[in-house]
Amino acid sequence: EIVMTQSPATLSVSPGERATLSCRASQSVSSNLAWYQQKPGQTPRLLIYGASTRATGIPARFSGGGSGTEFTLTISSLQSEDFAVYYCQQYNTWPLTFGGGTKVDIK
Amino acid sequence: EVQLLESGGGLVQPGESLRLSCAVSGFTFGSHAMSWVRQAPGKGPEWVSVISGTGSSTYYADSVKGRFTISRDNSKNTLYLQMNSLRAEDTAIYFCARVPGARQDYFDYWGQGTLVTVSS
Repeated sequence: EIVMTQSPATLSVSPGERATLSCRASQSVSSNLAWYQQKPGQTPRLLIYGASTRATGIPARFSGGGSGTEFTLTISSLQSEDFAVYYCQQYNTWPLTFGGGTKVDIK
Repeated sequence: EVQLLESGGGLVQPGESLRLSCAVSGFTFGSHAMSWVRQAPGKGPEWVSVISGTGSSTYYADSVKGRFTISRDNSKNTLYLQMNSLRAEDTAIYFCARVPGARQDYFDYWGQGTLVTVSS
């Protein structure tokens, strides 16, 4: 199975700053990568699919990039509601696999 | 409005069975593949199983293959997960999730989840 590795595990950022999260696949997943946001006690929310396409209603401060094995999620200017855990997921190959998550917390 | 509502979770002993249901509304159910995804306490999500819109194709994670069965009733707009021979490591919140389209096996809508606890 394809192993998805996210880094860092925790990212401490001040409101208004830029945050860059990384996701690495153990083998190429082309652009078949999605990003989700999860807040405590809530379900995951789709942010990005196709590595770089924002889902419906997702603010423009969220952007995704990369292809193959290296991907990034960038939040250009962190808002208070953006502090959460972020997961990447590949859907190129069965079984579908998620990364371990990056927690973005307040610095 | 798209809605997914899981039910059927609970506390069971190792080796026992449980059947989860997911009632959906707000979209044409039979036009979408559907998945079950679980999340153990404090852990990331883990994909469990997927079923095509017609129900003719299914896939499973190795961790549940041979023990879990996914199915759907398109006349009732309901997705199911039959879980047999449950183990402690199956303890998690189980979410049903919608797959948006063909060869787009990510999840655009999620239910609120139902908690399954396997413990003696």
